[in-house]
Amino acid sequence: KNQVEQSPQSLIILEGKNCTLQCNYTVSPFSNLRWYKQDTGRGPVSLTIMTFSENTKSNGRYTATLDADTKQSSLHITASQLSDSASYICVVSGNDYKLSFGAGTTVTVRA
Amino acid sequence: EAQVTQNPRYLITVTGKKLTVTCSQNMNHEYMSWYRQDPGLGLRQIYYSMNVEVTDKGDVPEGYKVSRKEKRNFPLILESPSPNQTSLYFCASMTGGLETGNTIYFGEGSWLTVV
Repeated sequence: KNQVEQSPQSLIILEGKNCTLQCNYTVSPFSNLRWYKQDTGRGPVSLTIMTFSENTKSNGRYTATLDADTKQSSLHITASQLSDSASYICVVSGNDYKLSFGAGTTVTVRA
Repeated sequence: EAQVTQNPRYLITVTGKKLTVTCSQNMNHEYMSWYRQDPGLGLRQIYYSMNVEVTDKGDVPEGYKVSRKEKRNFPLILESPSPNQTSLYFCASMTGGLETGNTIYFGEGSWLTVV
């Protein structure tokens, strides 16, 4: 069973609207959580990195939150743009050198 | 410019014909890793390396080999490719350990089809 579950699997939003993506994980012990953006056929690009003690981190219109107690994270996209259309991947690492990847949420922004 | 370079980007090969996908990074990173990405499954780790001459299996190492003779290079070797190895492959690198929260840099991916 995947240790990182993302929801929804996909979503469609209108340009200018906000959306929130969810990530639940069971990785333990927990070290840090990363959100990546992956355009179709391209390599993932880092959006945010949060360690155990961080609750929120922003990168422009992207804001990630982390609740290490409930093992949940969210990625909020504000005022979406067409260029936000991509897959968003939640990546969790423990205290070893392995990464656990979520299957991703595909976001489609329509004009 | 920080880069992780993979080659080839696209390859169609036949079952059993050995092939190597090269990966090179220009950031002097210690940590390098290979992943495959299949629809609906997300990225899965094949092998990783914490430094020169240090490699270890990830979650799906069967059918693959790697080597780390130099810090900048981490080739992925398919000794006898099979159709179930048809996938999109990514190489990644990072300085330090995962626990530091450093950025992981990914290559642009290599589309491999085995017929």
